[in-house]
Amino acid sequence: QKEVEQNSGPLSVPEGAIASLNCTYSDRVSQSFFWYRQYSGKSPELIMSIYSNGDKEDGRFTAQLNKASQYVSLLIRDSQPSDSATYLCAVNIGLSARQLTFGSGTQLTVLP
Amino acid sequence: GAGVSQTPSNKVTEKGKYVELRCDPISGHTALYWYRQSLGQGPEFLIYFQGTGAADDSGLPNDRFFAVRPEGSVSTLKIQRTERGDSAVYLCASSLRGLGYQETQYFGPGTRLLVL
Repeated sequence: QKEVEQNSGPLSVPEGAIASLNCTYSDRVSQSFFWYRQYSGKSPELIMSIYSNGDKEDGRFTAQLNKASQYVSLLIRDSQPSDSATYLCAVNIGLSARQLTFGSGTQLTVLP
Repeated sequence: GAGVSQTPSNKVTEKGKYVELRCDPISGHTALYWYRQSLGQGPEFLIYFQGTGAADDSGLPNDRFFAVRPEGSVSTLKIQRTERGDSAVYLCASSLRGLGYQETQYFGPGTRLLVL
């Protein structure tokens, strides 16, 4: 089992719809979770971080964390074509890891 | 000041050659990380520096890979006897204190390495 798993997609949604991206992680004691967006040929860009159970909202983005289920998700409301990118889930695995462990990413396409 | 910078942006080399990749972190950031990203995959951790010292080099694939950060700022990733399998995008990131917990890592634009 990989330490961080994502649905590889690709995921296509129509413009204006809600895009839902999911991620599971292996180590129950992990405490820091991040969503990065990566446009083709570019480097990862942080869009959300979440550390506590529940929801965290920032504009059109909502991150959801459920530590009991070892599950973190990202919702994108009112999806725009400019949201088309690969979304990477990243976790500081365990209690003391400084490095991030990434999932393989979910490719999202928002259709005009 | 500016974000994380990396040079060169692209590097083409021949199998067996030696290459150096450079990373200049965000000013004031004490922690620096190197990752490698292959096509269709997420970045994979290589090495982490806290100040001048390599705090964790568990991700380096073998002894052909080595990295330094002599003055606690700029870092150089060195690859000896390059192999075609080393072809990837090498990403550098930095963070303010390297605490891990609740700390954001900021990525540079990467160096695309192609080994022919």
